[in-house]
Amino acid sequence: DQQVKQNSPSLSVQEGRISILNCDYTNSMFDYFLWYKKYPAEGPTFLISISSIKDKNEDGRFTVFLNKSAKHLSLHIVPSQPGDSAVYFCAARNSGAGSYQLTFGKGTKLSVIP
Amino acid sequence: SQTIHQWPATLVQPVGSPLSLECTVEGTSNPNLYWYRQAAGRGLQLLFYSVGIGQISSEVPQNLSASRPQDRQFILSSKKLLLSDSGFYLCAWSALLNGGARAEQYFGPGTRLTVT
Repeated sequence: DQQVKQNSPSLSVQEGRISILNCDYTNSMFDYFLWYKKYPAEGPTFLISISSIKDKNEDGRFTVFLNKSAKHLSLHIVPSQPGDSAVYFCAARNSGAGSYQLTFGKGTKLSVIP
Repeated sequence: SQTIHQWPATLVQPVGSPLSLECTVEGTSNPNLYWYRQAAGRGLQLLFYSVGIGQISSEVPQNLSASRPQDRQFILSSKKLLLSDSGFYLCAWSALLNGGARAEQYFGPGTRLTVT
């Protein structure tokens, strides 16, 4: 059972426009959410995170929104740049489970078109 | 600043051969360490994590094992590789804060393993 879902395997956006990447989760015990960016043949790079006690966190061009009632989070990239083209992974953690595991979605491939 | 190293970058091994992948972290003490695998077309799957020297927890039963002989060294091993062990192996670390691990994990460059 996939607890973290990224239902869009790919997304294409024009340079300068907004990219919106979506993520849904099923485990209500998740209390921390993260977004990672990954280029081919490289390890994921941490982008931004949000605690479940917040509904928004912003860092430069990246903003993460959390809707706990809908069990949904999204990553907004504004403005999108060609260098943002990569696979984006959503991850979640249940701190109360006694495990340090991050549960990852399968990723969304973002292509920013110049 | 903290740096995480993995080697080798790529590896081609025959079925039944042993495996040893190494990960080291610099610039931090007493990190939590993790081994993940990304199979083709799939997300990241946690294999092992370690909260200290000699302390290993396994998340998925398999023919792989992990060891942490030093504070900042994490090793992934197998005595006999299977075809299904092919994938992209990633080591990661996270810092401890107030007795607990921070959620943010930082990944190494990965090892591409192909079992033939």
